[in-house]
Amino acid sequence: DTAVSQTPKYLVTQMGNDKSIKCEQNLGHDTMYWYKQDSKKFLKIMFSYNNKELIINETVPNRFSPKSPDKAHLNLHINSLELGDSAVYFCASSQDSPGIQPQHFGDGTRLSIL
Amino acid sequence: AQSVAQPEDQVNVAEGNPLTVKCTYSVSGNPYLFWYVQYPNRGLQFLLKYITGDNLVKGSYGFEAEFNESQTSFHLKKPSALVSDSALYFCAVREGTGGFKTIFGAGTRLFVKA
Repeated sequence: DTAVSQTPKYLVTQMGNDKSIKCEQNLGHDTMYWYKQDSKKFLKIMFSYNNKELIINETVPNRFSPKSPDKAHLNLHINSLELGDSAVYFCASSQDSPGIQPQHFGDGTRLSIL
Repeated sequence: AQSVAQPEDQVNVAEGNPLTVKCTYSVSGNPYLFWYVQYPNRGLQFLLKYITGDNLVKGSYGFEAEFNESQTSFHLKKPSALVSDSALYFCAVREGTGGFKTIFGAGTRLFVKA
């Protein structure tokens, strides 16, 4: 009965490959997010969707493409992976669009680029 | 632009002693303020939030935070630390007017010694 679940938990791949991370939430929330946490634990927003509509799109290389097939799912596809993409990627959800309600985080996907 | 600062990379405290983790912020308009905790290999967990009202906010696991508008601070406190409180703590702020982004501080690592 995990609230926000991400798959896979670990992802080890070669430079230049394309990979996807999936996220699902069973909380009935309208808004979902992708964050990147670097090796110094700094957390940065990448994207946010509200009711399947993109509402936050930070300065992220266009190799990163989010997709929200429905309110409960937000996937992240990454093309042509680079060494600098190595990080932990967190999915989160919240009940409201303006972000007044707290966010619920998944346990992260640890991406390592060889 | 909104910002949040956690001036201490690390806080050390003995079990049973009070703890304080500092946070200062800068926003246009009224701030929405949050504290989250991250345990190893886990996502962030919500502790407490300040939206409006009483300046002293109580949250999970015995934590509380004091909103100080004149000092633009939102310090996290606990009267008696536990070893199990050892974790990484993030302060976050969202602007009260416009936008949907929540900005996270760099995090403060709390070590509680037995």
